[in-house]
Amino acid sequence: GAGVSQSPRYKVAKRGQDVALRCDPISGHVSLFWYQQALGQGPEFLTYFQNEAQLDKSGLPSDRFFAERPEGSVSTLKIQRTQQEDSAVYLCASSFLVVGPGEQYFGPGTRLTVT
Amino acid sequence: TQLLEQSPQFLSIQEGENLTVYCNSSSVFSSLQWYRQEPGEGPVLLVTVVTGGEVKKLKRLTFQFGDARKDSSLHITAAQPGDTGLYLCAGALRKNYGGSQGNLIFGKGTKLSVKP
Repeated sequence: GAGVSQSPRYKVAKRGQDVALRCDPISGHVSLFWYQQALGQGPEFLTYFQNEAQLDKSGLPSDRFFAERPEGSVSTLKIQRTQQEDSAVYLCASSFLVVGPGEQYFGPGTRLTVT
Repeated sequence: TQLLEQSPQFLSIQEGENLTVYCNSSSVFSSLQWYRQEPGEGPVLLVTVVTGGEVKKLKRLTFQFGDARKDSSLHITAAQPGDTGLYLCAGALRKNYGGSQGNLIFGKGTKLSVKP
């Protein structure tokens, strides 16, 4: 079955470069989430979309981080002028429900390494 | 300050042993999920608990949600090498006026190694 897919799976960027990470959620899922997972840590929330509306971006660490979901399906997380501290796995998750138990289904992640 | 404290952080046991992983918070959650994550992969949902005191069983795994909805535990009976992985608890915060916040709050995880 079609789960959440993310691309690229691995990305190496030189410090100062811009990167764009893509997420294809499960078809029909209304909610989409981005998380950042540092090595040896649990995922940390970045931002949340309900359809095309970005309802919560309180977890974005700086104004270099930008996310969009223009048609309410595919989402892109963009990081401008990457820094070494941005190195992490970026996880995308989708959920059918807007409220309720909050079950989220995760993609495999994009591992970003900034050199 | 970690909102969800998970313990132990690391656990190495022999095949056939039992184990329990704990997830504690001072906050009330509307629901709590347990995930398992393999290296290089995203977390995979194991179970969701919603009601205080709820107990759910998934084969050799038993999940419990505390009565006050602030804590949870995962118990594995007769662990097998295939159980090796990172176990994450994650909760949806309960807003004062009901409903639930969209994003999940994760613990740091418990890295389990089961040796044959």
